Parts: sequence; structure tokens; C-alpha cells
Amino acid sequence: DAGVTQSPTHLIKTRGQQVTLRCSPKSGHDTVSWYQQALGQGPQFIFQYYEEEERQRGNFPDRFSGHQFPNYSSELNVNALLLGDSALYLCASILTGGDWEQFFGPGTRLTVL
Amino acid sequence: AQTVTQSQPEMSVQEAETVTLSCTYDTSESDYYLFWYKQPPSRQMILVIRQEAYKQQNATENRFSVNFQKAAKSFSLKISDSQLGDAAMYFCAYISSAGNMLTFGGGTRLMVKP
Repeated sequence: DAGVTQSPTHLIKTRGQQVTLRCSPKSGHDTVSWYQQALGQGPQFIFQYYEEEERQRGNFPDRFSGHQFPNYSSELNVNALLLGDSALYLCASILTGGDWEQFFGPGTRLTVL
Repeated sequence: AQTVTQSQPEMSVQEAETVTLSCTYDTSESDYYLFWYKQPPSRQMILVIRQEAYKQQNATENRFSVNFQKAAKSFSLKISDSQLGDAAMYFCAYISSAGNMLTFGGGTRLMVKP
């Protein structure tokens, strides 16, 4: 059983560019959450997707957007990149109605120059 | 809004000894879940142990146990017989039973000395 997968592993962008990160949840899981983890800090919740809709959103600007596909995989898009967007982006997979455990992927390291 | 605080940025323990990591949280809710996650240099966030707020009994998982004090809003992690592989960042996290987002503390870096 494959766990949560994320791609790419890392990437480098320049200010003003746009980026798309991808996540495939654990088999059987229908909900995906995205977190941003700045260096040396705890993860911060960006948003959660369920049934292809954004169910809850954290304190992040509209430059951060997402999408969930019918197969439950998800994308995180960030427009007009800023230096401060440099971070590890974590995807977490959840089974709605389960026991609240969130299974995390290995993350995508984004560097904005 | 819920907050989670880990007051120890770094901790060090000798191999085979016991160490306790501290965590406090603030919430007005009565039904919630608390977690300890381990994040090694590989970056993968791994669940160590969980505690349901409605359970009075402290959770244990092999060498890992918690001291859950609901009234004090405290949730510490005890690691017994520490091993070199326990070296990692440890994050305390909270989720409301009515919510969808995990709120994390700032983390504690645990070093294990051989």
C-alpha cells in the first residue's frame, strides 16, 4: 500500500513566477490538507480539500490556491512567488470519518530566489 | 484560536536514558485530539502517539508515553530507553473534533548522545 506521495521533491523558482505542487493521498483516503513549514518552524495549515472543494482555509493569501481531482489527488498552486514563500510544503492525507490521523507525505522543498 | 506552545527548542539525552518533552496548548473546546509527531532529517512527518481528550488514561506506545493534564492544558511526551534513531524534531499538535486543521507547536529538536 503506497503512502502519501508528493512531487516534485524540490524545486527552485524566481520571484514572480508560479508553481504547482502535487500530492497523491494514501489509498482509500478522500481528504487532503496542505501545510507550509518554514525553516525551523512548525507546519502552518494552508487549506483542506474534500469532494473536490476547499473545505477549510488557513490564514494564507489568495495567491495560494488548490484543486482536488476525482481520484482524490490534489494540487497546490502559488502565484506571484515571494522570497517568503520558500518553505517545505507538506501534504497530509485523511480518511473522513476516520480517527483524525493525518498521514504526511515527504514534502516538496520550494526555494524562491 | 487554538495555540500550541513547545517551550524547549532543544533537548539532549544520553542513549538508554529517559527524556520528557513539554507541550502546552490553549483551547476553549472540550473535545479534541492531541498528537506528537516526529520529523527526522528525511522530512517525513511520522505520528508517534495520540491522545483523545475525553480519555483520562494516558496513551502509551512502546517506549513512548504521554502525561496528559487536561485542566492544565499540558501534554508532555516521555521517551524511555532513548535510542540514536529517536534523534529528530518533535512536534506537538492539536485538532478539534469539529475541525479539520492541525495546529502545531514550534517543535523541539532532540539530540541523542551515544
